Amino acid sequence: AQRVTQPEKLLSVFKGAPVELKCNYSYSGSPELFWYVQYSRQRLQLLLRHISRESIKGFTADLNKGETSFHLKKPFAQEEDSAMYYCALSGYNTDKLIFGTGTRLQVFP
Amino acid sequence: DAGVTQSPTHLIKTRGQQVTLRCSPISGHKSVSWYQQVLGQGPQFIFQYYEKEERGRGNFPDRFSARQFPNYSSELNVNALLLGDSALYLCASSPDRNTEAFFGQGTRLTVV
Repeated sequence: AQRVTQPEKLLSVFKGAPVELKCNYSYSGSPELFWYVQYSRQRLQLLLRHISRESIKGFTADLNKGETSFHLKKPFAQEEDSAMYYCALSGYNTDKLIFGTGTRLQVFP
Repeated sequence: DAGVTQSPTHLIKTRGQQVTLRCSPISGHKSVSWYQQVLGQGPQFIFQYYEKEERGRGNFPDRFSARQFPNYSSELNVNALLLGDSALYLCASSPDRNTEAFFGQGTRLTVV
């Protein structure tokens, strides 16, 4: 079954603390993995995708095929990182995105 | 560029009615996808259209249908509305297949 699991509904940290948002997936084949973010009153937008191997706004994510994970990390959280984060996958040659249930990140001052 | 635009932003319908949601993709984008987001869940894939042809369909009943027009805009139709159809409906456009999806603000549908 194709599935994305985000075990935490809510993650609360203080400014400057490290952040790790967990994402595990189930997919038979080689999926492409994404992190989408939705800031308050804004539309859903792409944060990063594993094939680009970029660091966006200080966030990184490494695809671990052995553990079928794609955790999102940031060494020092900022208040402006507070948002809803969704992990998603798509299969080879398909645009269908399968989303997890999302994790709300709250960064306190 | 205004980005992906969806209309209406909100609407209320009664059970059994039909609804049409509209999406205008970013200029030059040929691919449009529709997602349903129920409160507390992530978006669920409904349809994808590319160059006016259906390229993917999610696990939704036949009451859900969609189409893409020559200008690449798209409509999502839902017939015989049920209370469970209440959700945020998101449209996403992409320049081409397998490229970044840009999402609209969504249409909030409430079925009473």
